[in-house]
Amino acid sequence: AQSVTQPDIHITVSEGASLELRCNYSYGATPYLFWYVQSPGQGLQLLLKYFSGDTLVQGIKGFEAEFKRSQSSFNLRKPSVHWSDAAEYFCAVVAEKLTFGTGTRLTIIP
Amino acid sequence: DVKVTQSSRYLVKRTGEKVFLECVQDMDHENMFWYRQDPGLGLRLIYFSYDVKMKEKGDIPEGYSVSREKKERFSLILESASTNQTSMYLCASSLSPAVTDTQYFGPGTRLTVL
Repeated sequence: AQSVTQPDIHITVSEGASLELRCNYSYGATPYLFWYVQSPGQGLQLLLKYFSGDTLVQGIKGFEAEFKRSQSSFNLRKPSVHWSDAAEYFCAVVAEKLTFGTGTRLTIIP
Repeated sequence: DVKVTQSSRYLVKRTGEKVFLECVQDMDHENMFWYRQDPGLGLRLIYFSYDVKMKEKGDIPEGYSVSREKKERFSLILESASTNQTSMYLCASSLSPAVTDTQYFGPGTRLTVL
């Protein structure tokens, strides 16, 4: 069965610092992978998705993610975070259906 | 832009009450979904619908039912609310039945059952 793991429940970074959020998946075939963001009081918004092709995917708000088949990972990165990036981030994988990870809460300190 | 709206942002109900959560999308999407979101558990799929009057159980359908009488509207019904149904409920829609289609989410309804 498909599954996705986000090992970090909560991450705190300074404004302007780089960010990497981890995501590992379990699925036998090539997965379809997504990152969503949930700002406080809001629904989820798609940041980016990977289906095939170039393993480095660019998304909105300056985010990117890299698919690494050998590590079963799809980590989300941003070179310099802004205070408005404080939110909860969800990785998701599709096989028969969309399955979400448990989320990583990102706090930004000035 | 796709807009998914939910009837209430906050709702407080008593144990045993019948509760209706409404969701409307304005982009003629085929698929609609109901999730509940709990800390440490992420999002879990309750029900989804791929067409009017069609519904499929998700991962946690027990204690819930749904109704889709019109394409744009998908309702979640708690027949007899219980305290363990206190949660954030998120509605989503997608253009086609393809599981890879992007889902668009509403802002959520935070339900408290006393």
